[in-house]
Amino acid sequence: GENVEQHPSTLSVQEGDSAVIKCTYSDSASNYFPWYKQELGKGPQLIIDIRSNVGEKKDQRIAVTLNKTAKHFSLHITETQPEDSAVYFCAAIGGVSGAGSYQLTFGKGTKLSVIP
Amino acid sequence: EADIYQTPRYLVIGTGKKITLECSQTMGHDKMYWYQQDPGMELHLIHYSYGVNSTEKGDLSSESTVSRIRTEHFPLTLESARPSHTSQYLCASSELWGTADNEQFFGPGTRLTVL
Repeated sequence: GENVEQHPSTLSVQEGDSAVIKCTYSDSASNYFPWYKQELGKGPQLIIDIRSNVGEKKDQRIAVTLNKTAKHFSLHITETQPEDSAVYFCAAIGGVSGAGSYQLTFGKGTKLSVIP
Repeated sequence: EADIYQTPRYLVIGTGKKITLECSQTMGHDKMYWYQQDPGMELHLIHYSYGVNSTEKGDLSSESTVSRIRTEHFPLTLESARPSHTSQYLCASSELWGTADNEQFFGPGTRLTVL
C-alpha cells in the first residue's frame, strides 16, 4: 500500500516569513494529493489539492508543488500570519480498494507555529 | 463549513462502561470514516463504510465496532472502555463514486478519556 512521509513534524516561523512542509509518497500510481489544515479543537479541513497532471497550484498565500519523478510534493505558505498556526497533513490516494473507491493515506502531520 | 456533526464533543467515563460516539452528516455522502488521532497528531483509520449495511476495518486494529443503518449516521461503539481507548476520535465523510479525488469532510471530533 501507499506510504506517506511528512517533514518536519514541528515548524516555527516568524510572522511574515515563509513556511515549507514536504512529503514523499511510495506508490507511483498515486495521482491526487490534498493538504488538510487542523486548527485546535477542530477536525482537519481541505485547504488545497493537486493532481498528478499539474506541477504547481496556487491559492493566494498557499501553493503546492508536485514532482512525480521524485515522488514528493510540498506545501508553501508565504507571508505567514498567526492564524496559519495549526497542524497540517499531507495525503495521497493509496490505490484502489473495493467498490471502485480510493483510500487516502495521510502523513503524520506538521505542527506549524507562527510567532508574532 | 462542512455539515458533519459529532456528539459528544468531550466524554469522561470509567473503565468497563459501554459508550457510543455519534456521527451524522447531511451531505448525502455514501462513504464515511472513523479515525483515531493520537497525541502525536497522527491520524489512524479504524473503520469505514461504503454505504448502508457496509462496514470495513481500517488500517489500525480497534476494539470498537461500527454500524451503518442509515446513510447519514455512522455510530462507533466501545462495549467495554479501557484507559487505552483514551484518544480523539474523528468522523469524516466523502462521496463514493466519481473521480478518485474525493474530499473528506471531517467532524469536530470527540475527545474520549477513560479513567
